[in-house]
Amino acid sequence: DTGVSQNPRHKITKRGQNVTFRCDPISEHNRLYWYRQTLGQGPEFLTYFQNEAQLEKSRLLSDRFSAERPKGSFSTLEIQRTEQGDSAMYLCASSLEGARPQHFGDGTRLSIL
Amino acid sequence: GIQVEQSPPDLILQEGANSTLRCNFSDSVNNLQWFHQNPWGQLINLFYIPSGTKQNGRLSATTVATERYSLLYISSSQTTDSGVYFCAVNPMDTGRRALTFGSGTRLQVQP
Repeated sequence: DTGVSQNPRHKITKRGQNVTFRCDPISEHNRLYWYRQTLGQGPEFLTYFQNEAQLEKSRLLSDRFSAERPKGSFSTLEIQRTEQGDSAMYLCASSLEGARPQHFGDGTRLSIL
Repeated sequence: GIQVEQSPPDLILQEGANSTLRCNFSDSVNNLQWFHQNPWGQLINLFYIPSGTKQNGRLSATTVATERYSLLYISSSQTTDSGVYFCAVNPMDTGRRALTFGSGTRLQVQP
């Protein structure tokens, strides 16, 4: 069990640029989740995949955000035309199917200049 | 949606003291997890405990599902226990898989 891996750990970019984050889940986990955490708050759900199918999306996931999990393994989260309000920690989690615990990666911290 | 309330919001302890953190939730759940977020931002799984009692070293947790609350006990606290403790739940019978987090308890353990 190598844990959930996220890259990069930190991303600094200028407003208006596009950014992409990657998440590699625990290998046998077929469910993958993205959350966002702003300073002083708990994580908030963004979206969820079972295998390659995106099954649930939060209202937080505006049309500038897109997530993919093309082969049911790793996932990418892209933010287009970044805004100041996108500055946050983006967390990925994975789990087995069923009522099972979610395991989180160390996150990608995004800072918008 | 489901509501999750954690108390107290802030807690300062002397090293060696014991503490109890509480999590109340508004609906039945099929997943409840306790996490510790350390000062580096890492979210560490403590317990998966939708019901019952579990212990892991100095930490233990109890969830009373019928009364919709969970407690996290920290005994003989150490400075490394500092950070934010989150309770997160997934509601039952909704088909949703997302965890809803409480606002956390910020713990500071002083030497």
